[in-house]
Formats: sequence, structure tokens, C-alpha cells
Amino acid sequence: GAVVSQHPSRVICKSGTSVKIECRSLDFQATTMFWYRQFPKQSLMLMATSNEGSKATYEQGVEKDKFLINHASLTLSTLTVTSAHPEDSSFYICSARKRERTDTQYFGPGTRLTVL
Amino acid sequence: TQLLEQSPQFLSIQEGENLTVYCNSSSVFSSLQWYRQEPGEGPVLLVTVVTGGEVKKLKRLTFQFGDARKDSSLHITAAQPGDTGLYLCAGPLWGFNDMRFGAGTRLTVKP
Repeated sequence: GAVVSQHPSRVICKSGTSVKIECRSLDFQATTMFWYRQFPKQSLMLMATSNEGSKATYEQGVEKDKFLINHASLTLSTLTVTSAHPEDSSFYICSARKRERTDTQYFGPGTRLTVL
Repeated sequence: TQLLEQSPQFLSIQEGENLTVYCNSSSVFSSLQWYRQEPGEGPVLLVTVVTGGEVKKLKRLTFQFGDARKDSSLHITAAQPGDTGLYLCAGPLWGFNDMRFGAGTRLTVKP
């Protein structure tokens, strides 16, 4: 199997606060994890790619100081939305890739962030 | 412009009908994956096609990878309301590791 979990599944926070989202690969080691953002009725937008033990690579237009990514172990990556604003409200999805199978990503169930 | 063009963007059909969703590119891919995403959930992997011309069947779903590895199709036979969702194709370009996603086809199957 290839199970990826995310926590929390839903979070509501006040504007200006920071929110941390965890992404875990439960039954495999993920050398690479990805963070996506999805707006209603749209496809996935890649935000950043993180490799275990190194700095994340951010897509153009994604502020790295606002969306802090840490991939401290082969089973855990975290995304911290700093000083969140209402426009950061979205569905955030992570995915993980196995070391031995680079052509497939396994997705987490997503985290619904609402910033008031 | 999307590297992977999916068509149609939206599809609404009655239960029992057949349908085909297309995923096309002018570039060659090492493999292509199809995912289904339901509202409020993450995408779930349906299949990976690797060999040009490959056909894979998953119950009522038939997936085909083009001979030139530039396109793929998903055919659903006798669609059911449970097939409703966003279907995404994705894959790594030949020689690269990063995945590219299509914009998706949103399928609604009415009972």
C-alpha cells in the first residue's frame, strides 16, 4: 500500500495567525513530497517540492517566506502558512513519492484552511 | 497553456451511459497516471500506464496509452453515480522526474 495522511483535515484560524499542516507517509519512505493548492472546481496547483533533508523548491509566484516547508524525515513534511490572510483560504493537498517509483505520487486527503 | 490537455472539461451524463475522457499532449511522457478526486478529498490513483499502446482495465474503466506516449484515454462503460468526480491525468515528461497535471475532467453521473 501507499497511504498518505494529512493533519488537520480542517482548520479555521484568524487573520494574522500561523497554521501548520502535517503530511505523513504511513507505510513507505517518501524521499520527495509535494504541496499543492486547489481552488474550488479547479485542478491542482503545485506550490513546492520538498526533498528529505534539503530546502524546498518553490514554484514561481509562491512566496517561500509565507509558505514554510520542512521535510525533516522520510515520512513527514510540514507546511506552515505564516501570517495567514483570507486569500490564503484554500484546499491544501500533499503528495509523496516513493524512492523506487518516481513516476507515481500518492496523495493525502487534503486540508481545508479557512482564514477569517 | 497546459502541457496535458484534458477534454472534455465538464461532462454530465445519465447512469448507464458510456463515456471517454481524453488526455493529450505534444510531448512524450515516460508514463501517465489517472486519478479520481471526489469533493473535499485528495486524488486517488486509479492506474499507471507505462508502455506505448498499453491498455489496462479496471472493472468498468479502460485506460489506454497512445503508441507515441503523448496521449491517453479513459473509457467508462455503463457509468454509475459513484463514478462522479474530477478525473486527472498526470505524468512525468520523458527524461524528467517532476509530474505534470492536466486541468481535469469533471464528470457528473445522474441517477
